[in-house]
Amino acid sequence: AQKVTQAQTEISVVEKEDVTLDCVYETRDTTYYLFWYKQPPSGELVFLIRRNSFDEQNEISGRYSWNFQKSTSSFNFTITASQVVDSAVYFCALSEYSWGKLQFGAGTQVVVTP
Amino acid sequence: SAVISQKPSRDICQRGTSLTIQCQVDSQVTMMFWYRQQPGQSLTLIATANQGSEATYESGFVIDKFPISRPNLTFSTLTVSNLSPEDSSIYLCSVEGRGGSGSYNEQFFGPGTRLTVL
Repeated sequence: AQKVTQAQTEISVVEKEDVTLDCVYETRDTTYYLFWYKQPPSGELVFLIRRNSFDEQNEISGRYSWNFQKSTSSFNFTITASQVVDSAVYFCALSEYSWGKLQFGAGTQVVVTP
Repeated sequence: SAVISQKPSRDICQRGTSLTIQCQVDSQVTMMFWYRQQPGQSLTLIATANQGSEATYESGFVIDKFPISRPNLTFSTLTVSNLSPEDSSIYLCSVEGRGGSGSYNEQFFGPGTRLTVL
């Protein structure tokens, strides 16, 4: 069975600090996909990234970066120089398909204060 | 990218009644997915809806409680039947679509329908 663990319930930082969100997953599949989504207070889900299990390269997109390590079954997400607009719940998700049936983690609430 | 709209955006319903949620996509998609997000919780997949066939339900979800229709490639409905307060949740429609980064496929979610059952 697949499982996604986001052990951090809430992280509070002051603006411009870096924040790293942990995501640990379990799966028996050799091919799988990992996702990160942002859910701001308005409620909509914003897609951030999808990574397949064969691509362990780290990725950077602006202030966002992701560290995928198959050896530790982790797909961590870092926000550099956080801003108030980064305040949201962030979900990590796992799927055996490239899209569609996602198993979500519990989410991590990020609070960025000025 | 896929633009998804849902109706209603929110509703308050009485116990024992039913609510039908509509999901409209601006492009044709093979599969549509319905998720539930209970208050303060994560998202859970309810079912997968294919056009022309019965929906496939995840463990813990049954057709009698959550009947789904998929009459064409751009539209689906989810009905939550015989409502109880435990059904108070956000219900989200989701589809796969081509993202802004070239061939990169993304999983898009609708804005959600916030249901409160009294």
